[in-house]
Amino acid sequence: AQSVTQLDSHVSVSEGTPVLLRCNYSSSYSPSLFWYVQHPNKGLQLLLKYTSAATLVKGINGFEAEFKKSETSFHLTKPSAHMSDAAEYFCVVSRLSGGYNKLIFGAGTRLAVHP
Amino acid sequence: DAGVTQSPTHLIKTRGQQVTLRCSPKSGHDTVSWYQQALGQGPQFIFQYYEEEERQRGNFPDRFSGHQFPNYSSELNVNALLLGDSALYLCASSLFGDTGELFFGEGSRLTVL
Repeated sequence: AQSVTQLDSHVSVSEGTPVLLRCNYSSSYSPSLFWYVQHPNKGLQLLLKYTSAATLVKGINGFEAEFKKSETSFHLTKPSAHMSDAAEYFCVVSRLSGGYNKLIFGAGTRLAVHP
Repeated sequence: DAGVTQSPTHLIKTRGQQVTLRCSPKSGHDTVSWYQQALGQGPQFIFQYYEEEERQRGNFPDRFSGHQFPNYSSELNVNALLLGDSALYLCASSLFGDTGELFFGEGSRLTVL
């Protein structure tokens, strides 16, 4: 069965410093992996996705993630945090069965960005 | 191009009541999924509809039911509400067979008193 574990429930950084949000996954086959962001009182927005192409995936707003099969990890990074990055981030694995796509979410990491 | 729209945005019910939430998928999408997001948690999959039938279901009781209409819009119904049903209910749309992203609405926040 597929699952994801987000290793930090809260991360706090200063504006302009790097961001690292950690995610480990479990999957019995080659997974599709995503990072979604949720700003307060908003829906979920896709940041980036990995679907077995390049292992380094670039997303929106300067975020990127690297798929490491040997470590079963899919950590999200950004070189320089911005105040607008403060939000909840979810690591997600996709389970495709018979054409039906079901997402399995991690518990989330709340990112705080301080001036 | 309208994205996923959900209604109502907020509602308050009392225990034992019934609620219906509505969702219109993104233009061109034919599959609708529903997720429940309790406070401080990640979204949990409830069920998915395609061609007006429930195709997959998560670990939710039969009190949770749904429907998909010929225009691909969908409803989520919850009967005999419990306090624990208080959550943000998210609708997501996609294209059948697509392994890519799901597009989410902004959700309906249900409070059960």
